[in-house]
Amino acid sequence: EDQVTQSPEALRLQEGESSSLNCSYTVSGLRGLFWYRQDPGKGPEFLFTLYSAGEEKEKERLKATLTKKESFLHITAPKPEDSATYLCAGMNRDDKIIFGKGTRLHILP
Amino acid sequence: NAGVTQTPKFQVLKTGQSMTLQCAQDMNHEYMSWYRQDPGMGLRLIHYSVGAGITDQGEVPNGYNVSRSTTEDFPLRLLSAAPSQTSVYFCASSFDGCSYNEQFFGPGTRLTVL
Repeated sequence: EDQVTQSPEALRLQEGESSSLNCSYTVSGLRGLFWYRQDPGKGPEFLFTLYSAGEEKEKERLKATLTKKESFLHITAPKPEDSATYLCAGMNRDDKIIFGKGTRLHILP
Repeated sequence: NAGVTQTPKFQVLKTGQSMTLQCAQDMNHEYMSWYRQDPGMGLRLIHYSVGAGITDQGEVPNGYNVSRSTTEDFPLRLLSAAPSQTSVYFCASSFDGCSYNEQFFGPGTRLTVL
């Protein structure tokens, strides 16, 4: 059974304190690994797609990396506006997308 | 472009009632999908469509029907609402089902079944 597991469930950081969010996956015929950001009361907003182990993508203070079993979302020197829930998802060979439960990130000023 | 629109934003139903959640996109996207989001459960795929006339089941399809008669619209029907269907429902679309295309999500419909 395809599965995506995110850790930690919640993370509180001081402004400027860098950290990483983890996404472990077992997805049959992985066609893509996605990261989304979701603010309270809103739909998820796309951040990155990763396709193969070793790939990295960056956007402002965020960098996503992919191995054969995990993906990491690195947050460098975060600001309070980075506070949100970050969702990881994998697309399997049948075009189905499986989401993890998310990591709630809170950046303290 | 309006992007992905969903109506209604909020809905309260009684057990056994039926209703349709509407979803439309104006980006000429082929791939559309419906998710439900529950506390502690994350987003779960209900049904998806890779193009007009084609639909398939996701992870939690029971109690829901979909159809895709046009590229723009992908309505989700609750046949006989149950309290277990209380949730926030999101519709999403992407250019096609290929992995490199980001999904655009609608603002969600918050449904309560009494």
